[in-house]
Amino acid sequence: DSGVTQTPKHLITATGQRVTLRCSPRSGDLSVYWYQQSLDQGLQFLIQYYNGEERAKGNILERFSAQQFPDLHSELNLSSLELGDSALYFCASSVGGGRNGELFFGEGSRLTVL
Amino acid sequence: DQQVKQNSPSLSVQEGRISILNCDYTNSMFDYFLWYKKYPAEGPTFLISISSIKDKNEDGRFTVFLNKSAKHLSLHIVPSQPGDSAVYFCAARHNNAGNMLTFGGGTRLMVKP
Repeated sequence: DSGVTQTPKHLITATGQRVTLRCSPRSGDLSVYWYQQSLDQGLQFLIQYYNGEERAKGNILERFSAQQFPDLHSELNLSSLELGDSALYFCASSVGGGRNGELFFGEGSRLTVL
Repeated sequence: DQQVKQNSPSLSVQEGRISILNCDYTNSMFDYFLWYKKYPAEGPTFLISISSIKDKNEDGRFTVFLNKSAKHLSLHIVPSQPGDSAVYFCAARHNNAGNMLTFGGGTRLMVKP
C-alpha cells in the first residue's frame, strides 16, 4: 500500500460526458502528479501540483483540468470525453521534489468511454 | 518524441537466471533514472534508482547500470524469481522540471519456474 488513494477505481461513461477523478496523496506529501496510461503503453505525464500551485504541465488536453485543494487532495476533471480518453489514470505523490525522484503511485482509476 | 525508450516489449527468463531489461534515452538533461515495477491492477512501485553521476547502483538482487555516453541504462535481476514477473518501467527525471518523470513504454518480464 503506497498510501496514495484514488477514487473511483473504475468508471464507465459515454462520449461527451464529464468525469472527476480524485486523489489523496500520502500523508505529508505536498506534490501530486497525474499520469495517463493508454492500452498497455507507458505512463504519459499530464500535470503536477505542489502545495496547491501548478508546478509542471505535460501533454494535457485542453478538455482536461486539475486542481489541488488546501487539504492537498487533487482532482482531475475530464470533459467532452472521447473514446480515446479511455485509459488508466494514475495519481502519484512525493514530498516536495521527491527523494531521488521517487514517486508513490495510487492504484489508478480505470476510465472507459463508450 | 519519445525521450525514454524500452525497445523490448517482453522478456522471458528461466527462474534462477539473470534478467536484463534495457532502456535508452535521448535527453542529456536527465539527472536521475528510476525503475518501477507494476503488477496487474496495481500502481507502479519504485524499485531502484541511479543518479546520473554514477554508473552502478545495487540493491539486493537488483542492479542498475548507467552508460551516459551511450545514453543507455539496464536493470539486472539476479537470480530471477517467478514473483519478479511484472511490467518494468524505466523512468527519467529532468533536472529542471521539478520531479516530473518521463516513462518508457515498459517491458513485460515473465520468469518461468
